[in-house]
Amino acid sequence: DGGITQSPKYLFRKEGQNVTLSCEQNLNHDAMYWYRQDPGQGLRLIYYSQIVNDFQKGDIAEGYSVSREKKESFPLTVTSAQKNPTAFYLCASSPLPGRISYGYTFGSGTRLTVV
Amino acid sequence: AQSVTQPDIHITVSEGASLELRCNYSYGATPYLFWYVQSPGQGLQLLLKYFSGDTLVQGIKGFEAEFKRSQSSFNLRKPSVHWSDAAEYFCAVAPRGGSYIPTFGRGTSLIVHP
Repeated sequence: DGGITQSPKYLFRKEGQNVTLSCEQNLNHDAMYWYRQDPGQGLRLIYYSQIVNDFQKGDIAEGYSVSREKKESFPLTVTSAQKNPTAFYLCASSPLPGRISYGYTFGSGTRLTVV
Repeated sequence: AQSVTQPDIHITVSEGASLELRCNYSYGATPYLFWYVQSPGQGLQLLLKYFSGDTLVQGIKGFEAEFKRSQSSFNLRKPSVHWSDAAEYFCAVAPRGGSYIPTFGRGTSLIVHP
């Protein structure tokens, strides 16, 4: 079955450490997205990519970095510059925007905790 | 500025009762409209979407939503709630152009009493 795989499910980060969250999709979707979810705040967009080797900042990109070297993969690095990284991170993908099939497919998330 | 409002943070219903979750949006033109559901510790699952045509949209799990242009609303309904419907529900709107990036509401937590 096609879908999005996020790993790991739980991740612990020490102060000053960079960590990378994995997101892989086999849906042949062109666009991929990273969201951060905090209690009571809904979903906030970190980065998105609509084509390989290109990505755009979202609303809260500071302290995060991404790459899109392959259509299937969109890893997110939480850098030491992100001062409050504890959150639930969701990856999503969609067909090209504007298509009738447009709509997001989400992964099951990674819970990141600073220790 | 574009915005999505889900005015109810929590909704409590009894199993078997009807349900309506509210969603209002502020956009320059009619956007694409979505409802998603999230179980604890999981990702979001698309329940239904409205692009055009019939303003009453049927989705999965017995849910439906009605788009009302005059009220800028897209409320989610279910005639009879099951205990397994307890979850977080998110309304989202996306512009019909540009980046098409959706804006999500803050969510409504549904609690179902037996």
